[in-house]
Amino acid sequence: EPEVTQTPSHQVTQMGQEVILRCVPISNHLYFYWYRQILGQKVEFLVSFYNNEISEKSEIFDDQFSVERPDGSNFTLKIRSTKLEDSAMYFCASSGLRNTEAFFGQGTRLTVV
Amino acid sequence: GENVEQHPSTLSVQEGDSAVIKCTYSDSASNYFPWYKQELGKGPQLIIDIRSNVGEKKDQRIAVTLNKTAKHFSLHITETQPEDSAVYFCAAKEGNTPLVFGKGTRLSVIA
Repeated sequence: EPEVTQTPSHQVTQMGQEVILRCVPISNHLYFYWYRQILGQKVEFLVSFYNNEISEKSEIFDDQFSVERPDGSNFTLKIRSTKLEDSAMYFCASSGLRNTEAFFGQGTRLTVV
Repeated sequence: GENVEQHPSTLSVQEGDSAVIKCTYSDSASNYFPWYKQELGKGPQLIIDIRSNVGEKKDQRIAVTLNKTAKHFSLHITETQPEDSAVYFCAAKEGNTPLVFGKGTRLSVIA
């Protein structure tokens, strides 16, 4: 069964460092998302991406964040200068043509120290 | 924007009993309501969804009901089993907008 895959599963980084979280969405999907989940809290939307551009972003997604689809398969989230409060689980998700069912990856646990 | 409220935050049931989780939403334009199950250390897994043109949907032991007038929808799990223990999230969206999630319900099924 097709699935969304994310790497790495766990990333530890020093405050102020740049991190890149990687995702391979389901191959025929057209809509891509990043969400985050701070420990014990709800899943929060960060950004959506369609047709090679950002279609929507939340207040969380400030100038420190960027997304890219560098080739036909990968979808990345970059945090330029990490802060302690960026520590969270980051989930990538993708949807097909109808943009309804969203399938999530296993997540990357980002720990900023 | 959309706001989704979910309750209860925790729910314990005896194995074999039913579990009901309820959500309300604020945006009457929302037309798609999925439920996700999240096991420890894993990503949310879509378990069932319902669209606004349907009032109820069932898949084996899981059912979802939607009341558009009252703007609430519920997840029903019958004959619960220990492997149903997880955190369950409801969500809502309209068209191409992103999913807005509830805060989650931690379900514990006691054997």
